[in-house]
Amino acid sequence: AQKVTQAQTEISVVEKEDVTLDCVYETRDTTYYLFWYKQPPSGELVFLIRRNSFDEQNEISGRYSWNFQKSTSSFNFTITASQVVDSAVYFCALVFGSSNTGKLIFGQGTTLQVKP
Amino acid sequence: NAGVTQTPKFRILKIGQSMTLQCTQDMNHNYMYWYRQDPGMGLKLIYYSVGAGITDKGEVPNGYNVSRSTTEDFPLRLELAAPSQTSVYFCASSYSTRENTEAFFGQGTRLTVV
Repeated sequence: AQKVTQAQTEISVVEKEDVTLDCVYETRDTTYYLFWYKQPPSGELVFLIRRNSFDEQNEISGRYSWNFQKSTSSFNFTITASQVVDSAVYFCALVFGSSNTGKLIFGQGTTLQVKP
Repeated sequence: NAGVTQTPKFRILKIGQSMTLQCTQDMNHNYMYWYRQDPGMGLKLIYYSVGAGITDKGEVPNGYNVSRSTTEDFPLRLELAAPSQTSVYFCASSYSTRENTEAFFGQGTRLTVV
């Protein structure tokens, strides 16, 4: 089965704290793609990052970093020095390569609240 | 750049009414999708299309229909609206190549069926 699990429903932090959002996935495919999307209170979905299954190099982009570990089927997302503007719902999603359709399988989402 | 455009942004329907949610993209993407997002949940795929004239069901297709007569447009039809169809609907599009697989989303349509 293809599945994405975000066990954290809601996280609340105080501004400037670091926060990690967890994502665990299941797929039988050897080729797949993992994504993080952000949904701010305005409602649109904003693409943050894509990772291919054959590229386990972790990435840092400004205050954002991602930790992809195939051995544990995890693709976690860390925000360093969080800001109020980071408050949003964050979705982890999976595209399995054999479908060749780009269909996204979403996790349930994690609501992040950053308090001033 | 327009990207993916959905209309309307909000709509209230009475039970049994029908409507079409419009979606158009100007990025020449082959793949297009309709998702619905229920409160506190992730998005679920309703229908998708890999090119003009080709559509297929997703995870939750019941009560909906789609068509894809052009690359740009992918309308979603609701027949006989039911309260269970109250949701936020997102249209998305993407390239079909391995290197460009992230989907771009429209702003969403908030639909209430009463």
